[in-house]
Amino acid sequence: AQKITQTQPGMFVQEKEAVTLDCTYDTSDPSYGLFWYKQPSSGEMIFLIYQGSYDQQNATEGRYSLNFQKARKSANLVISASQLGDSAMYFCAPSPQSNTGKLIFGQGTTLQVKP
Amino acid sequence: DSGVTQTPKHLITATGQRVTLRCSPRSGDLSVYWYQQSLDQGLQFLIQYYNGEERAKGNILERFSAQQFPDLHSELNLSSLELGDSALYFCASSAGVFGSPLHFGNGTRLTVT
Repeated sequence: AQKITQTQPGMFVQEKEAVTLDCTYDTSDPSYGLFWYKQPSSGEMIFLIYQGSYDQQNATEGRYSLNFQKARKSANLVISASQLGDSAMYFCAPSPQSNTGKLIFGQGTTLQVKP
Repeated sequence: DSGVTQTPKHLITATGQRVTLRCSPRSGDLSVYWYQQSLDQGLQFLIQYYNGEERAKGNILERFSAQQFPDLHSELNLSSLELGDSALYFCASSAGVFGSPLHFGNGTRLTVT
């Protein structure tokens, strides 16, 4: 079974600082994608960023970027210039190409941004 | 707005009852997924449909069933409800192509009393 590890159950960051949320995964599939989602306290699941395992460059999307280390099976989310609205739960989800498209999520990391 | 519509937003029912959750996917998306989120189990994949056919099954109980209709909307049926079924149920949709993100609805909050 696919294993996803988000080792930081809870994190704090000062407003305007950068923060890194860790994610490691275990897949034997050579081709896969890696998704990150945000779940604010209101409950909705918001897609943030995607990285393909064969992409040459790390994905970026506005203030979000991925520190993707394929050999280590690690895809850490970096949020730059944190804002109060970034306070939320963050989930990573690897998606092997053989997986029909469904996502299996990690346990998540709760991020709180302090003013 | 993700474009995925789930109804109802909230549902309160008693143990032993049966409920139906409804989902309309984003326009053009062929694949529908159902997830259950509870405090103790986290976000669990239940089942996936693609263009009306079941494509993948996760930790879905036998008391639960789902289907996707020709117009691509989907329903999740939960029967013989137990207190432990209280959770947030999400529907998501995608194009069903590798690398396509899932777009989630706002969820149905089910409370079983």
